[in-house]
Amino acid sequence: SQQGEEDPQALSIQEGENATMNCSYKTSINNLQWYRQNSGRGLVHLILIRSNEREKHSGRLRVTLDTSKKSSSLLITASRAADTASYFCATDGFNTDKLIFGTGTRLQVFP
Amino acid sequence: ETGVTQSPTHLIKTRGQQVTLRCSSQSGHNTVSWYQQALGQGPQFIFQYYREEENGRGNFPPRFSGLQFPNYSSELNVNALELDDSALYLCASSLGGEWEQYFGPGTRLTVT
Repeated sequence: SQQGEEDPQALSIQEGENATMNCSYKTSINNLQWYRQNSGRGLVHLILIRSNEREKHSGRLRVTLDTSKKSSSLLITASRAADTASYFCATDGFNTDKLIFGTGTRLQVFP
Repeated sequence: ETGVTQSPTHLIKTRGQQVTLRCSSQSGHNTVSWYQQALGQGPQFIFQYYREEENGRGNFPPRFSGLQFPNYSSELNVNALELDDSALYLCASSLGGEWEQYFGPGTRLTVT
Protein backbone atom coordinates (compact mmCIF):
# COMPACT_ATOMS: atom_id res chain seq x y z
CA SER A 1 0.00 0.00 0.00
CA GLN A 2 1.12 3.56 -0.63
CA GLN A 3 2.00 5.61 2.42
CA GLY A 4 1.91 8.96 0.78
CA GLU A 5 0.12 10.82 -1.90
CA GLU A 6 1.62 13.57 -3.96
CA ASP A 7 -0.33 16.53 -5.18
CA PRO A 8 -0.71 17.49 -7.95
CA GLN A 9 -0.47 14.28 -9.97
CA ALA A 10 0.86 16.27 -12.92
CA LEU A 11 2.32 19.76 -13.30
CA SER A 12 3.31 21.67 -16.44
CA ILE A 13 5.32 24.90 -16.22
CA GLN A 14 7.64 27.08 -18.30
CA GLU A 15 11.38 27.22 -17.78
CA GLY A 16 12.29 29.73 -15.11
CA GLU A 17 9.10 29.25 -13.12
CA ASN A 18 8.97 27.62 -9.72
CA ALA A 19 7.42 24.19 -9.21
CA THR A 20 5.79 23.16 -5.96
CA MET A 21 4.63 19.66 -5.19
CA ASN A 22 3.12 18.36 -2.00
CA CYS A 23 3.17 15.04 -0.19
CA SER A 24 0.92 13.73 2.55
CA TYR A 25 1.59 10.61 4.57
CA LYS A 26 -0.25 8.56 7.14
CA THR A 27 1.96 7.36 10.01
CA SER A 28 4.72 8.70 12.23
CA ILE A 29 8.10 8.94 10.56
CA ASN A 30 11.77 9.32 11.34
CA ASN A 31 12.45 11.14 8.11
CA LEU A 32 11.05 11.95 4.69
CA GLN A 33 12.95 11.83 1.43
CA TRP A 34 12.34 13.09 -2.08
CA TYR A 35 13.45 11.19 -5.15
CA ARG A 36 13.42 11.99 -8.87
CA GLN A 37 12.79 9.46 -11.62
CA ASN A 38 13.48 10.11 -15.29
CA SER A 39 11.47 8.21 -17.90
CA GLY A 40 10.65 5.15 -15.79
CA ARG A 41 14.26 4.43 -14.88
CA GLY A 42 16.09 4.38 -11.55
CA LEU A 43 15.35 6.86 -8.79
CA VAL A 44 17.81 9.54 -7.76
CA HIS A 45 17.91 10.71 -4.17
CA LEU A 46 17.36 14.46 -3.91
CA ILE A 47 17.07 15.41 -0.27
CA LEU A 48 16.26 14.00 3.17
CA ILE A 49 14.56 15.89 5.96
CA ARG A 50 14.41 14.50 9.48
CA SER A 51 11.28 14.58 11.60
CA ASN A 52 12.77 17.24 13.90
CA GLU A 53 13.55 19.57 10.98
CA ARG A 54 11.06 21.98 9.46
CA GLU A 55 12.89 23.19 6.37
CA LYS A 56 15.91 22.17 4.35
CA HIS A 57 17.64 23.57 1.27
CA SER A 58 19.84 21.98 -1.36
CA GLY A 59 20.75 24.10 -4.37
CA ARG A 60 17.48 25.00 -6.13
CA LEU A 61 15.49 22.64 -3.89
CA ARG A 62 13.61 23.65 -0.76
CA VAL A 63 11.78 21.07 1.32
CA THR A 64 9.44 21.72 4.21
CA LEU A 65 8.01 19.23 6.67
CA ASP A 66 5.00 19.65 8.93
CA THR A 67 4.71 16.58 11.13
CA SER A 68 1.52 17.86 12.79
CA LYS A 69 -0.18 17.83 9.40
CA LYS A 70 1.78 14.82 8.14
CA SER A 71 2.74 16.72 5.02
CA SER A 72 5.79 17.90 3.10
CA SER A 73 6.39 20.13 0.14
CA LEU A 74 9.17 20.25 -2.45
CA LEU A 75 9.88 23.54 -4.18
CA ILE A 76 12.10 23.65 -7.25
CA THR A 77 13.09 27.22 -8.06
CA ALA A 78 14.01 28.56 -11.49
CA SER A 79 13.06 25.29 -13.17
CA ARG A 80 14.88 23.96 -16.23
CA ALA A 81 13.80 21.59 -18.98
CA ALA A 82 16.17 19.02 -17.43
CA ASP A 83 13.97 19.02 -14.31
CA THR A 84 11.28 17.21 -16.32
CA ALA A 85 10.74 13.97 -14.40
CA SER A 86 8.51 12.25 -11.86
CA TYR A 87 9.06 13.22 -8.25
CA PHE A 88 8.29 10.91 -5.34
CA CYS A 89 8.24 11.41 -1.62
CA ALA A 90 9.24 8.44 0.51
CA THR A 91 8.93 7.89 4.22
CA ASP A 92 10.59 5.33 6.40
CA GLY A 93 8.50 2.67 8.11
CA PHE A 94 9.31 4.32 11.46
CA ASN A 95 11.05 1.29 12.93
CA THR A 96 12.25 -0.24 9.69
CA ASP A 97 14.64 0.70 6.93
CA LYS A 98 12.11 0.18 4.16
CA LEU A 99 10.94 3.14 2.14
CA ILE A 100 7.25 3.74 1.52
CA PHE A 101 6.70 5.78 -1.60
CA GLY A 102 3.92 8.06 -2.63
CA THR A 103 2.18 8.03 -5.96
CA GLY A 104 4.39 10.69 -7.56
CA THR A 105 4.06 14.03 -9.33
CA ARG A 106 4.90 14.17 -13.05
CA LEU A 107 6.60 17.49 -13.75
CA GLN A 108 6.92 18.79 -17.31
CA VAL A 109 9.07 21.88 -17.84
CA PHE A 110 8.72 23.50 -21.27
CA PRO A 111 11.64 25.44 -22.79
CA GLU B 1 33.06 4.22 -6.35
CA THR B 2 30.76 2.15 -8.55
CA GLY B 3 27.02 2.68 -8.61
CA VAL B 4 24.21 0.15 -8.38
CA THR B 5 23.85 -2.03 -11.45
CA GLN B 6 21.04 -4.37 -12.46
CA SER B 7 20.71 -7.06 -15.08
CA PRO B 8 19.09 -7.68 -17.40
CA THR B 9 17.69 -4.34 -18.56
CA HIS B 10 14.61 -5.84 -20.15
CA LEU B 11 13.06 -9.27 -19.94
CA ILE B 12 10.02 -10.92 -21.50
CA LYS B 13 8.63 -14.05 -19.88
CA THR B 14 5.54 -16.20 -20.27
CA ARG B 15 2.96 -16.66 -17.53
CA GLY B 16 3.94 -19.56 -15.24
CA GLN B 17 7.67 -19.24 -15.88
CA GLN B 18 10.31 -18.32 -13.33
CA VAL B 19 12.68 -15.34 -13.48
CA THR B 20 15.84 -14.24 -11.70
CA LEU B 21 16.89 -10.60 -11.56
CA ARG B 22 20.32 -9.51 -10.39
CA CYS B 23 21.66 -6.48 -8.58
CA SER B 24 25.17 -5.37 -7.68
CA SER B 25 25.19 -2.95 -4.80
CA GLN B 26 27.23 0.21 -4.54
CA SER B 27 30.72 -0.32 -3.21
CA GLY B 28 30.74 -0.42 0.59
CA HIS B 29 26.98 -0.93 0.98
CA ASN B 30 25.79 -3.95 2.96
CA THR B 31 22.02 -3.57 2.54
CA VAL B 32 19.93 -4.23 -0.56
CA SER B 33 16.23 -3.51 -0.96
CA TRP B 34 13.99 -4.57 -3.84
CA TYR B 35 10.98 -2.66 -5.11
CA GLN B 36 8.29 -3.32 -7.70
CA GLN B 37 6.98 -0.35 -9.65
CA ALA B 38 3.88 -0.81 -11.76
CA LEU B 39 3.25 1.63 -14.57
CA GLY B 40 2.15 5.00 -13.24
CA GLN B 41 2.64 4.02 -9.60
CA GLY B 42 5.24 4.57 -6.94
CA PRO B 43 7.67 1.78 -6.05
CA GLN B 44 6.37 -0.86 -3.63
CA PHE B 45 8.75 -2.46 -1.14
CA ILE B 46 9.26 -6.19 -1.72
CA PHE B 47 11.98 -7.08 0.80
CA GLN B 48 15.35 -6.06 2.16
CA TYR B 49 18.55 -7.99 2.81
CA TYR B 50 21.16 -7.00 5.35
CA ARG B 51 24.38 -9.00 5.56
CA GLU B 52 22.81 -11.96 3.72
CA GLU B 53 19.72 -12.16 5.95
CA GLU B 54 16.20 -11.03 5.05
CA ASN B 55 15.51 -7.90 7.08
CA GLY B 56 11.91 -7.03 6.38
CA ARG B 57 9.33 -7.95 3.78
CA GLY B 58 6.47 -6.12 2.16
CA ASN B 59 3.08 -7.45 1.17
CA PHE B 60 4.27 -9.86 -1.53
CA PRO B 61 3.53 -13.61 -1.77
CA PRO B 62 6.19 -16.27 -1.06
CA ARG B 63 6.78 -16.84 -4.77
CA PHE B 64 8.87 -13.66 -4.53
CA SER B 65 12.13 -14.69 -2.91
CA GLY B 66 15.62 -13.33 -2.71
CA LEU B 67 19.23 -13.90 -1.85
CA GLN B 68 22.13 -11.74 -0.83
CA PHE B 69 25.67 -12.96 -1.40
CA PRO B 70 28.83 -12.37 0.68
CA ASN B 71 29.85 -9.57 -1.70
CA TYR B 72 26.42 -7.98 -0.97
CA SER B 73 25.12 -8.48 -4.49
CA SER B 74 21.57 -9.78 -4.61
CA GLU B 75 19.04 -11.75 -6.62
CA LEU B 76 15.28 -11.48 -6.82
CA ASN B 77 13.49 -14.66 -7.89
CA VAL B 78 9.87 -14.80 -8.93
CA ASN B 79 8.19 -18.16 -9.49
CA ALA B 80 4.96 -18.92 -11.31
CA LEU B 81 4.87 -15.56 -13.06
CA GLU B 82 1.53 -13.81 -13.40
CA LEU B 83 0.51 -11.09 -15.82
CA ASP B 84 0.35 -8.59 -12.92
CA ASP B 85 4.05 -9.19 -12.23
CA SER B 86 4.79 -7.04 -15.28
CA ALA B 87 6.58 -4.03 -13.82
CA LEU B 88 9.88 -2.23 -13.34
CA TYR B 89 11.92 -3.96 -10.64
CA LEU B 90 14.29 -1.69 -8.78
CA CYS B 91 17.02 -2.56 -6.37
CA ALA B 92 18.56 -0.07 -4.02
CA SER B 93 21.62 -0.34 -1.86
CA SER B 94 22.44 1.46 1.33
CA LEU B 95 24.72 1.29 4.29
CA GLY B 96 22.94 -0.26 7.26
CA GLY B 97 21.73 2.50 9.55
CA GLU B 98 21.74 5.14 6.82
CA TRP B 99 18.42 6.28 5.39
CA GLU B 100 19.44 7.29 1.87
CA GLN B 101 19.09 4.54 -0.69
CA TYR B 102 20.87 4.43 -4.04
CA PHE B 103 18.87 2.93 -6.85
CA GLY B 104 19.89 0.97 -9.89
CA PRO B 105 18.39 1.64 -13.33
CA GLY B 106 15.85 -1.17 -12.95
CA THR B 107 14.83 -4.27 -14.87
CA ARG B 108 11.65 -4.02 -16.90
CA LEU B 109 9.82 -7.34 -16.79
CA THR B 110 7.00 -8.09 -19.19
CA VAL B 111 4.89 -11.19 -18.60
CA THR B 112 2.78 -12.35 -21.55
